[in-house]
Amino acid sequence: NIVMTQSPKSMSISVGDRVTMNCKASQNVGNNIAWYQQKPGQSPKLLIYYASNRYTGVPDRFTGGGYGTDFTLTINSVQAEDAAFYYCQRIYNSPLTFGSGTKLEIK
Amino acid sequence: EVQLVESGGGLVQPGRSLKLSCAASGFTFSNYYMAWVRQAPKKGLEWVATISTSGSRTYYPDSVKGRFTISRDNAKSSLYLQMNSLKSEDTATYYCARQGGHTMGPGDYWGQGVMVTVSS
Repeated sequence: NIVMTQSPKSMSISVGDRVTMNCKASQNVGNNIAWYQQKPGQSPKLLIYYASNRYTGVPDRFTGGGYGTDFTLTINSVQAEDAAFYYCQRIYNSPLTFGSGTKLEIK
Repeated sequence: EVQLVESGGGLVQPGRSLKLSCAASGFTFSNYYMAWVRQAPKKGLEWVATISTSGSRTYYPDSVKGRFTISRDNAKSSLYLQMNSLKSEDTATYYCARQGGHTMGPGDYWGQGVMVTVSS
């Protein structure tokens, strides 16, 4: 079964900084990756689909990249409201496995 | 406006069954794959099940295969999750999600979630 490994588990960033988080698939998934943001007490929100496509309404400071087994989510000029958990997910083929998440804290 | 509203959660004893429902509105339900995703307290997201547009194909992870059954009623724009032989590790918030792109695409709309607690 496919395993999605996210790193780091948590990070603490200042407003205005740039942050990159990683998602590694245990097998080639092409570009079949989505990224979600989840804030405490809320449902997940789709940020990026098929590795690099920004979903409707997502600020352009969020950028997804990668192909195959290694993927990144970059947030340029982090804002206070970006404090959240971020999850990657393999999509398009079963199993639709999620990564364990990266917690982003704002200093 | 797309809306997904889950219901049917609650407290259930280990080994018993529970059926969750998700009422969809604001889009053509029959055109979309649908999924259930759960989140145990203070834990990450776990995909639980996906169903094709017609309901003819269903997909599950090993953790729930044989115990959970996803189904849909396109005439009622409703999604269901029948959970049997429940275990304490099934305790979680269960989310209904629309999968975009007319396939097993990303979850582009999510419900608010319903809590299921498995405990004696």
